[in-house]
Amino acid sequence: DAGITQSPRHKVTETGTPVTLRCHQTENHRYMYWYRQDPGHGLRLIHYSYGVKDTDKGEVSDGYSVSRSKTEDFLLTLESATSSQTSVYFCAISGFTGPSYNSPLHFGNGTRLTVT
Amino acid sequence: SQQGEEDPQALSIQEGENATMNCSYKTSINNLQWYRQNSGRGLVHLILIRSNEREKHSGRLRVTLDTSKKSSSLLITASRAADTASYFCATGSGAGSYQLTFGKGTKLSVIP
Repeated sequence: DAGITQSPRHKVTETGTPVTLRCHQTENHRYMYWYRQDPGHGLRLIHYSYGVKDTDKGEVSDGYSVSRSKTEDFLLTLESATSSQTSVYFCAISGFTGPSYNSPLHFGNGTRLTVT
Repeated sequence: SQQGEEDPQALSIQEGENATMNCSYKTSINNLQWYRQNSGRGLVHLILIRSNEREKHSGRLRVTLDTSKKSSSLLITASRAADTASYFCATGSGAGSYQLTFGKGTKLSVIP
C-alpha cells in the first residue's frame, strides 16, 4: 500500500458530537481526497485538497469541513454528527493531474464511523 | 450524481471462467479507470484508459472504451478465487478537474 494511514479505523459516536478523522500520507503527494462509501451509493466525494490550505467541496460536502495545514495531513470534521453520516470514510491521494488524464488514486483502508 | 454505472451489480462465476463487467457514463471524459476493492479494504487501482484509446491490457485484464456509446468494459480472463472483490469504474475530466467520479460497483464472486 502507498503510505496512507487513516485514524481511527473504527469509531462510534453519539448524535450531535463533533468528530475528526485523520488521514496521514508519507508520499508527499499534492492531492488528497475524502470519500464516503455507502451501500447503494458507491463512493461519493466529500472534499478534496489540491495543496496546503487549498481545499474545495465535493458532491456531498454538507455537514463536513476539512483542513490541510501540512502536506501530509488532511483532516475531515463532522461538525455535529448525525445518523445519516454513519458510513465508511476513505482517504485517497494522488500525485498529479495530467493534461489528458487524472492520476490514479491510492486509498487508505478506511474509517468505519457509526453515529448512534 | 454518479457518473459511471456498472453492470451487472453482482456476478458469480466458476474459477477459470472469464468475467466481464460493464460501465456506462453520461458526460464527456478524458479518462476512465477501473479499481478493485477487497472486503474491508480500500480501493486499488487496476488500469487507466484515456479517451483516445480503445483497448488496454494488463496481465489478465482487458479494458475497452467506446466513447461513442459512453461505455467501457473490464474483462478478467481465467478468473481465480482471489479475484473475488468489488470492481468500480471511475471517470475523470483530466486537467483542471481534480475529481474522479465512481460508479456503484460490480460484486464479483469466483467460486473455486
